[in-house]
Amino acid sequence: QVTLRESGPALVKPTETLTLTCTFSGFSLNTSGMCVSWFRQPPGKALEWVAIIDWDDEKYYSTSLKTRLTISKDTSKNQVVLTMANMDPVDTATYFCARRTTVMTRGAFDFWGQGTMVTVSS
Amino acid sequence: SYVLTQPPSVSVAPRETARITCGGDNIGGKSVHWYQRKPGQAPLLFIYFDTKRPSGIPERFSGSNSGNTATLTISRVEAGDEADYLCQVWDSSRNQVVFGGGTKLTVL
Repeated sequence: QVTLRESGPALVKPTETLTLTCTFSGFSLNTSGMCVSWFRQPPGKALEWVAIIDWDDEKYYSTSLKTRLTISKDTSKNQVVLTMANMDPVDTATYFCARRTTVMTRGAFDFWGQGTMVTVSS
Repeated sequence: SYVLTQPPSVSVAPRETARITCGGDNIGGKSVHWYQRKPGQAPLLFIYFDTKRPSGIPERFSGSNSGNTATLTISRVEAGDEADYLCQVWDSSRNQVVFGGGTKLTVL
């Protein structure tokens, strides 16, 4: 059974760095074709892709956010960590992680976490 | 950047057929995935690789993709199908995940 769960602070101050952790089970990021991605959705706005990391440690970032992002994985802990620097109130959003499989579902995101709400405010 | 265009809303009566389009430049050459989104919930994969249904997704949901348009078709629409539907592709030229803006399906 595949599950993903996001964790991190509910509140961060402007200019601080946000660190979010996606803890997953039911699959391994050592398996060829497996990826984990981060998304976010500000209140009342559309879902936005943030970053992705794959089994081979390839990393890709949203063009609009890439200067602020770092994604990494710890396969021994089944975790993917996202850091986002210099947080601003416009970064207030629900952040999701999801699994992507390039083999089984040809690149679709087949399992998602429930999301974690992050508010940026002083 | 690659852009996917969806109609903001589609309305259909129960038991009728709903068609939700997703337009993009030569989208027929890409693998399109569709997600259902209900308020307060994470996206749920409904169609992958243009036409494939994950286990548990009703046969009433089907997909097609050709030319510049991909389409999600929902047959015999039910009240429970009311939700937002998003299309998604991988833009391999820029290594970016791209979503359409979403279509709100209303069951009249």
